[in-house]
Amino acid sequence: KAGVTQTPRYLIKTRGQQVTLSCSPISGHRSVSWYQQTPGQGLQFLFEYFSETQRNKGNFPGRFSGRQFSNSRSEMNVSTLELGDSALYLCASSLISNLSYEQYFGPGTRLTVT
Amino acid sequence: AQKVTQAQTEISVVEKEDVTLDCVYETRDTTYYLFWYKQPPSGELVFLIRRNSFDEQNEISGRYSWNFQKSTSSFNFTITASQVVDSAVYFCALSRRDGGKLIFGQGTELSVKP
Repeated sequence: KAGVTQTPRYLIKTRGQQVTLSCSPISGHRSVSWYQQTPGQGLQFLFEYFSETQRNKGNFPGRFSGRQFSNSRSEMNVSTLELGDSALYLCASSLISNLSYEQYFGPGTRLTVT
Repeated sequence: AQKVTQAQTEISVVEKEDVTLDCVYETRDTTYYLFWYKQPPSGELVFLIRRNSFDEQNEISGRYSWNFQKSTSSFNFTITASQVVDSAVYFCALSRRDGGKLIFGQGTELSVKP
């Protein structure tokens, strides 16, 4: 079974621009979560989507948004980029059933804002 | 509020030594899940284990073992006879019953030297 895929793997943007990152979950997984990883703040939860609905949301400004499509693929968007948005953005998918809550992570998208 | 603390920022051992990574968590939930993930230099988070709050049985998987103690809110991870390939950052994480949001500790960077 293919794992979680994220595109692009690397991205360089300029302050003020916007960016869209994509995540394709493991086949059959309906939950997709997004995390931001930085050296200073560590791994922080952004949001989770399940069946096209945002189910959980972390403490990030409204510049960070996401969505999920009917095939469970998810995108996250960051508008008006700031230098502090430079990070590794990780996507994770999960089956979310009574027996399984493991989240499986993709390789991440490394975003650099200059 | 939920919180995970990994007090050991960095650990360095020589190959074949045993090493224990500590994890202490805080939650008011009675049902919750605990996880360990490994992040090698490539950046992808690799799922190692999930434990639910009702199952305090220790688990062994090859050279890996986990000790879950609700009385001390700890979920420690031991690697027996460490190998160079074990070098990575290890994260302990906590989720609520619905499983959608992982709260991560700051991670422990393990360096195994030959």
